[in-house]
Formats: sequence, C-alpha cells, structure tokens
Amino acid sequence: GQQVMQIPQYQHVQEGEDFTTYCNSSTTLSNIQWYKQRPGGHPVFLIQLVKSGEVKKQKRLTFQFGEAKKNSSLHITATQTTDVGTYFCAGPQNYGQNFVFGPGTRLSVLP
Amino acid sequence: GAVVSQHPSRVICKSGTSVKIECRSLDFQATTMFWYRQFPKQSLMLMATSNEGSKATYEQGVEKDKFLINHASLTLSTLTVTSAHPEDSSFYICSARTGSLLDTEAFFGQGTRLTVV
Repeated sequence: GQQVMQIPQYQHVQEGEDFTTYCNSSTTLSNIQWYKQRPGGHPVFLIQLVKSGEVKKQKRLTFQFGEAKKNSSLHITATQTTDVGTYFCAGPQNYGQNFVFGPGTRLSVLP
Repeated sequence: GAVVSQHPSRVICKSGTSVKIECRSLDFQATTMFWYRQFPKQSLMLMATSNEGSKATYEQGVEKDKFLINHASLTLSTLTVTSAHPEDSSFYICSARTGSLLDTEAFFGQGTRLTVV
C-alpha cells in the first residue's frame, strides 16, 4: 500500500545548529504538505508544495519538493527553542479524500 | 485562518461507558471531516472520514460500531467511543478542509485526550 516515510525519527540539536528532515513516498505525489505539532498540541499547517523541484522558504525554514515528486525535505537554519516539536509530511491518498501522514520527525533543541 | 474547535479537550471515563467528542468548523462549512487517533510519540492514524448527510467511511481495522460518527450538519461532526476500554485511551483529533479536499490545508481541532479507567 501507499507509504510515506520520514527520517530521522528523532533529532537532537544544539540551539543554533541546522536541522533537516526528509520525507519519502512510495508513490508519486500531486502535492505534499508539511505540518508542525508542538508537544501537547495539535498539528498546524506549514506549507504545501505542488511543482516538481519546487523550493519555498519561510524565514528560517526551507522546503523542497523533489524532481520526481516522491520526496521532500524541510531544512531549518539556526534552530531556536521555539522550533521544538514534531514535523510531519503528508501526501494525498491514491484513493479517497485524505492525506497520508508520515511518522514524523521529533526535533529537540537544547539551549 | 479557518478554525476547527474540538470539545472536550480532556475526558476521563470509566470502562464500559461511552464518550462523545465534538468537532466544529467555526467559520466555514465542512462537508467532510476526518477523525484521527494518535498514540504517544506516534503519527496520526486516520480512523474515518465523516461525510455530512451520509455514512462515515471507516479505515480498515477500525470498528464502526465502536467508533460511531455522526455528521448531521455542515459544521459539526461527532465521534462517540462506545463501551470504552482502557485500550481506547488515546489522543483523538479531527480535521477539516475549507476547499478542494486534496488541494487545501487541513485545519485540526485541538484534540481530545481520552483516558479510560
């Protein structure tokens, strides 16, 4: 079945270090979305990528969609303690009306 | 952005009782809402798709008689956990989209942490 995978599962960084999480799909995606969930909170939408090779930036966050539209990455430059949380990627189901969420990457930032 | 409100945020119930969780879209109409379950430190597991005015679509392995979903209006979907057991303890989250289902962001409710004792 359709799978969305993410690595790493956990990442601990020192404040100020960079961080990258990678998302891989078993199938080609029409688009991909990224969400952030703070500890104890609910997922919040960050961005959607649609075009092959697309790169979008939000301040210190850089999102990339692979040329084959099967993988994506989220890169955070100079992490801050406010970046702590779990980052999920999500791609549309091959069937149905929903998105398939990756397992998430949990980021810890040490001050 | 759009707001999805979920209630209650926390509930503790006795084993064997039923619990109802509400999910409301506050400033938009949602013909479709989604219910997820999330275990500690794990991803979101889609339980069912709630469709206004029709039966919900359940994912494989989810018992429809145990997790009753009602989507009676364009702004409200409810999930009732019937005859709850300790293994049903989890974080339940709903979500809805404002537009084309696969082309817009999902707005999530605040989640409901259910503890069955």
